[in-house]
Amino acid sequence: ETGVTQTPRHLVMGMTNKKSLKCEQHLGHNAMYWYKQSAKKPLELMFVYNFKEQTENNSVPSRFSPECPNSSHLFLHLHTLQPEDSALYLCASSQPGLAGDYEQFFGPGTRLTVL
Amino acid sequence: GEDVEQSLFLSVREGDSSVINCTYTDSSSTYLYWYKQEPGAGLQLLTYIFSNMDMKQDQRLTVLLNKKDKHLSLRIADTQTGDSAIYFCAEWTSGTYKYIFGTGTRLKVLA
Repeated sequence: ETGVTQTPRHLVMGMTNKKSLKCEQHLGHNAMYWYKQSAKKPLELMFVYNFKEQTENNSVPSRFSPECPNSSHLFLHLHTLQPEDSALYLCASSQPGLAGDYEQFFGPGTRLTVL
Repeated sequence: GEDVEQSLFLSVREGDSSVINCTYTDSSSTYLYWYKQEPGAGLQLLTYIFSNMDMKQDQRLTVLLNKKDKHLSLRIADTQTGDSAIYFCAEWTSGTYKYIFGTGTRLKVLA
């Protein structure tokens, strides 16, 4: 596997379910991100981890709980979600601090539907 | 707070030039980016420009930056059907981990 992978690619869940999204990066980066992509809205940054430490929580509801056990893995634990949480959830990684461009590498996303 | 705005849709004919526009509010932006998202895929970096530059050209892509007006544009010359995608403008400020993205502009190329 290369780049950034995300599983599952599609997820349908009820409002009372608990599920987790997984992201793995094979690029040796130190920063990882969760974004929410909804139609007609800006790509919304949710969480940032740098060297496994959370450096940004963009006022995300507590029903979304991130976990970063190491620099290569990032999880998003979901519980008691609402239908308006249905969206594409994108994971990304980058290597902060290098000179030059600061490209973010994105995974393909998990399409989440909350019934 | 910081904001990045883009129009939602653009439609062009194959072979024409496409111009996708973006405005941003953070005057301390260090880098400005254009990302492309094809159906079923994540975002992929197309090109970027450092904030002290006015223009950057990369094959069919031309990026123009008007720092005074906080306006960024991406011109795609000789647009092809394979260019149909969503194009995101983003800004990043040195010393932060926050990339601020726009809504994305869905480009449709008509054959």
